[in-house]
Amino acid sequence: KAGVTQTPRYLIKTRGQQVTLSCSPISGHRSVSWYQQTPGQGLQFLFEYFSETQRNKGNFPGRFSGRQFSNSRSEMNVSTLELGDSALYLCASSLAGQGAETQYFGPGTRLLVL
Amino acid sequence: GENVEQHPSTLSVQEGDSAVIKCTYSDSASNYFPWYKQELGKRPQLIIDIRSNVGEKKDQRIAVTLNKTAKHFSLHITETQPEDSAVYFCAATRTGSARQLTFGSGTQLTVLP
Repeated sequence: KAGVTQTPRYLIKTRGQQVTLSCSPISGHRSVSWYQQTPGQGLQFLFEYFSETQRNKGNFPGRFSGRQFSNSRSEMNVSTLELGDSALYLCASSLAGQGAETQYFGPGTRLLVL
Repeated sequence: GENVEQHPSTLSVQEGDSAVIKCTYSDSASNYFPWYKQELGKRPQLIIDIRSNVGEKKDQRIAVTLNKTAKHFSLHITETQPEDSAVYFCAATRTGSARQLTFGSGTQLTVLP
């Protein structure tokens, strides 16, 4: 099976702009979680989507949002970008149901905000 | 919410020696504990995981132990090799409907040839 894919891999934006990142999960995986990775804060949970519904959300401002489509692909959007949003954004997919908690990560999108 | 502390932040060992990384968690309801390895510029890759109904799990040179009473778990790598050099992250979560991992801060492991 193909692994989790993310596009684009690299992105440069300026403050105030908005950005949309995309994640395609492993075939058959219905849960997609997003994480932000920075040197200072490490890996932090953003939100999780399952069956097109946000099931859980981390402690991030409302500028961070996401959605999931019927084919389980997910997008996350960051509006009004700030310098501190520069990070590696990782998505992870997993199967649904108990005992299927293993999350498989994509390669990430590296966002640089100038 | 859950809080995971990981030690040490950096670890250097000679090739062939063992490496141990320790994590503690705060939420006694957490019951799934994965370990990820992240090489420079690459995605985190799951190397081993353990559930709270098990005290120890091994996979070749890698083992994880869990002490539920003390709320800590450890990663053990034996016979280390240069290709083991990477950042290792522990994580914790409650199983159930949501998929939300709380990660430790990471350990940079360097295996010296």
